[in-house]
Amino acid sequence: EPEVTQTPSHQVTQMGQEVILRCVPISNHLYFYWYRQILGQKVEFLVSFYNNEISEKSEIFDDQFSVERPDGSNFTLKIRSTKLEDSAMYFCASSGKTGGVRGYTFGSGTRLTVV
Amino acid sequence: TQLLEQSPQFLSIQEGENLTVYCNSSSVFSSLQWYRQEPGEGPVLLVTVVTGGEVKKLKRLTFQFGDARKDSSLHITAAQPGDTGLYLCAGHGSSNTGKLIFGQGTTLQVKP
Repeated sequence: EPEVTQTPSHQVTQMGQEVILRCVPISNHLYFYWYRQILGQKVEFLVSFYNNEISEKSEIFDDQFSVERPDGSNFTLKIRSTKLEDSAMYFCASSGKTGGVRGYTFGSGTRLTVV
Repeated sequence: TQLLEQSPQFLSIQEGENLTVYCNSSSVFSSLQWYRQEPGEGPVLLVTVVTGGEVKKLKRLTFQFGDARKDSSLHITAAQPGDTGLYLCAGHGSSNTGKLIFGQGTTLQVKP
């Protein structure tokens, strides 16, 4: 079964450093997303991406965050200057569109720890 | 702001018992999905319901979408220890960008 692959599985970084979280979505999917889940809290939407541009972003997704699909297969989330409160599980997801209902597949996540 | 509230947040039952998890909102959703999430893993899609009143079955799991498309339920018959996990409901937001709005989840423990 096709998978969404995320690397690394765990990243520890110092506050103020830049991090790039990587994702390889399912190859024939057209829509790409990042979500995050702070320990013990809800899964929260960060950004959706379609046709090489952001289609929607949440209030969390401020100027410190950016996304890119650099080569047609990878989908990256960059946090420019990490803060302690950015510590969370970050999930990449991709979806196709069948009959107007999108089937989502999530990756296994990257656990980001900011120290 | 669209919100989804799940109840109960925690449920601990004996093997063989039945249970129902609820997902409620004051907003209408175009569709609603149920996921299961294991510790340290991403959510795995169980089902998508689209039509008001729709009922879908997945073995011992029965999913229902409310007539007004504001609520949903997950019913498990004869629960087994393998059903233990975190169950999440998520609705498609009104923006049509594919954004999902998640409930806070229901942690289910089924004891042998």
